[in-house]
Parts: sequence; structure tokens; C-alpha cells
Amino acid sequence: DTAVSQTPKYLVTQMGNDKSIKCEQNLGHDTMYWYKQDSKKFLKIMFSYNNKELIINETVPNRFSPKSPDKAHLNLHINSLELGDSAVYFCASSQATARAYEQYFGPGTRLTVT
Amino acid sequence: AQSVAQPEDQVNVAEGNPLTVKCTYSVSGNPYLFWYVQYPNRGLQFLLKYITGDNLVKGSYGFEAEFNKSQTSFHLKKPSALVSDSALYFCAVSSPYNQGGKLIFGQGTELSVKP
Repeated sequence: DTAVSQTPKYLVTQMGNDKSIKCEQNLGHDTMYWYKQDSKKFLKIMFSYNNKELIINETVPNRFSPKSPDKAHLNLHINSLELGDSAVYFCASSQATARAYEQYFGPGTRLTVT
Repeated sequence: AQSVAQPEDQVNVAEGNPLTVKCTYSVSGNPYLFWYVQYPNRGLQFLLKYITGDNLVKGSYGFEAEFNKSQTSFHLKKPSALVSDSALYFCAVSSPYNQGGKLIFGQGTELSVKP
């Protein structure tokens, strides 16, 4: 009964390719997020969706495009992958966008671009 | 600008001793503060949060944290460390000016508890 799941867990690909990461939550939450964790373990938010509506769009290259088909799913598509995109990407969800709510994280997707 | 600082990259503690992982913040308005833990090759897990009220908050696995407004700190503590507490700990803050539940994370502190 996984709360927030991501697929794939590992993704190795070459520069220039396009790839997608999928995220699903079964917590009934309204809000979902994508974070990037770099090699120094620094975490930075990329996007946030509330009920399929984009709420947060940080300074992220437009090669990254999130898509939320419904409030339980938030996918991340990356075009023209670059070496600097190598990182661990975490999906998270929370009950609502109100800042009092804690976020629940998925296990992460380790993306390696060669 | 909002920021969170965890001044120690690593904290080493002997099992059974008390532990403290430090966090200071800089935000406009009243902060909401969180601690998360990340075990190797895992996602982050929520430990505890301060929203309002009692400055001492208790969380999962015996952890607690004290909100100190004058020192703008929110240090994580545990009276008696376990080897299984060894992990990466993140402090995070949300301010009234953050839209959509946005969290600003500190850089993380690696806690190592030795038997």
C-alpha cells in the first residue's frame, strides 16, 4: 500500500534523448510536487500542481514539462536531456496547498545522463 | 530572501547520547517549520512540524524540536540516539509569502550514530 510511487526507480539515458518519469499517490491528496536533488543532496522544488492546476513553476528550463492527468498523478517529461539533468527527482504530495500541511515523498528516480 | 541554514554538514554521536541537529531560518512573517529525514536511497520522511502554539514539538521516532523565535532557530533533538537514527536530516521552512505550499530546504545534515 505504497503512498507515493514513482517509476522508474533508475533511468540511464544519453544526452539529447527525451524521457518521462511517472508519479502516483493514493493518499487522496490535492497537491503534488516535483523536486530535484542534486549530487550534493540539495533539494529544490521544480513544480507544484493543485487539482491538476499548475501552482508553482520555479526557474526550470522549459525542456521540463509536468503533466497532471488527474489529481492522483503528476508526470514529468524531459526533452533533450543534458548532462546537468543528472540528479534524483522526487515526487511528493500534500493534503492541500496550505503551507501547514506536511509533504509525503516518493522513493525517487535516479536519472543519469551520459 | 528566505533561507534555511544547517550549519553542520555532519554530526557524530555515540549511541545512547543526546543528539542535536541545528537549523536556523530567515523568512518574512511567521514561519512554518519542518524536519524531514532521508535514509539512504529513500525518499524524505516527515518527522515533525511547528505551526503555532507550544514552542516544543514532538514528532516521530522520539524526536522533538524547539522553536526559538528570538534566535530564529528550530533545532532537532533526541534524548538518546540510536544507530538506526543515522541518516540525512533536512530542515525546511514555509513563509506566508510562499505560494502553493512551497518549502525552502536547508542543505541537510548527515547524522552518524556509532555503537
